Amino acid sequence: NAGVTQTPKFQVLKTGQSMTLQCAQDMNHEYMSWYRQDPGMGLRLIHYSVGAGITDQGEVPNGYNVSRSTTEDFPLRLLSAAPSQTSVYFCASSYSPYEQYFGPGTRLTVT
Amino acid sequence: SQKIEQNSEALNIQEGKTATLTCNYTNYSPAYLQWYRQDPGRGPVFLLLIRENEKEKRKERLKVTFDTTLKQSLFHITASQPADSATYLCALDFGTGGSYIPTFGRGTSLIVHP
Repeated sequence: NAGVTQTPKFQVLKTGQSMTLQCAQDMNHEYMSWYRQDPGMGLRLIHYSVGAGITDQGEVPNGYNVSRSTTEDFPLRLLSAAPSQTSVYFCASSYSPYEQYFGPGTRLTVT
Repeated sequence: SQKIEQNSEALNIQEGKTATLTCNYTNYSPAYLQWYRQDPGRGPVFLLLIRENEKEKRKERLKVTFDTTLKQSLFHITASQPADSATYLCALDFGTGGSYIPTFGRGTSLIVHP
């Protein structure tokens, strides 16, 4: 099993650009989540999904969209990048709301 | 609002000693509490989960306690090794009405000196 994979590993965007962060898992997990991690702030939940076709907002959803058309994939879209979205983004998956498996992260810089 | 507190100062200990990390929370009664390990530049790795009706959980050299009266969890690593050096995060569920809103603490850095 590859576990949770994320692409790209690094990305630099200009303010106003849009992009999609990819996340895939091969463990047949129903739960998938996106977090951002900033220095001194810890992990903060952006959006999550409890199954294909079902998504919901987390703590910091503004500026981000998600969709879940398959069990395996959970992409995160930045609609119009802002410097405040400079962060490390982690995708996670699990069978239940607990015991999450995290991906390696995407380091995003918005200039 | 709900709040999770982990010591922001790094914990430095000598190899072979027991490391004890603290996670305090306020204004909520979580159904469970989790501990994760995070190495620099990598995603967190799940270690242990303890439920509100459990006082203690063990896994190899790891032990977690959960005191719902004190609103505190302690995470112990016995016979610590330099390879245990990492940041340790606690996470609680602050969801209501069946929703799933995991909230992570900021983590405490553990440094084990040989």
